[in-house]
Amino acid sequence: SQQGEEDPQALSIQEGENATMNCSYKTSINNLQWYRQNSGRGLVHLILIRSNEREKHSGRLRVTLDTSKKSSSLLITASRAADTASYFCTTGANSKLTFGKGITLSVRP
Amino acid sequence: NAGVTQTPKFQVLKTGQSMTLQCAQDMNHNSMYWYRQDPGMGLRLIYYSASEGTTDKGEVPNGYNVSRLNKREFSLRLESAAPSQTSVYFCASEGRNLYGYTFGSGTRLTVV
Repeated sequence: SQQGEEDPQALSIQEGENATMNCSYKTSINNLQWYRQNSGRGLVHLILIRSNEREKHSGRLRVTLDTSKKSSSLLITASRAADTASYFCTTGANSKLTFGKGITLSVRP
Repeated sequence: NAGVTQTPKFQVLKTGQSMTLQCAQDMNHNSMYWYRQDPGMGLRLIYYSASEGTTDKGEVPNGYNVSRLNKREFSLRLESAAPSQTSVYFCASEGRNLYGYTFGSGTRLTVV
């Protein structure tokens, strides 16, 4: 299995605050991906970071990768109510992704 | 709109009935996947197809069959539905450029 393990399981913050979510994995990877799932919807790909990259940005998202610690973090800056969703990390060799339980992020208005 | 289209969106079946979940993508992706998602759990891979004409089992294939009809379409069939197959089913596809999976909006299946 190549799934990541997300931490914490649930996170509640105030609108405007930053949200930090963590992911750990067990085996060597080619890349690590983060996805978002809004309630009742399919997953949406947020960002992919390759194993030779240490940090990547996309809008209000910042992802870091530490391959020596087999961990990644997703930072959402200046959170909005619309960021309320579940977030999943995944690593997949041979493109066969597996997904853990995810992190439930609640952003209070 | 480009993406992954799943039909139907909702379905209620009686135990023992059969049905086929349809999935189509218009992005010329090679790989397609079927997942199920149960409350409090992550997505579990049922079957996948790395390319047209090939299919392989995932983590939870029992009770399901698949067909990769052509490059666009990948269907999931329940031959004899059981209450344990009550779930939300997601289809996804991926191209060669590793920009992540594109997911459909899901099929909510209830087996009574």
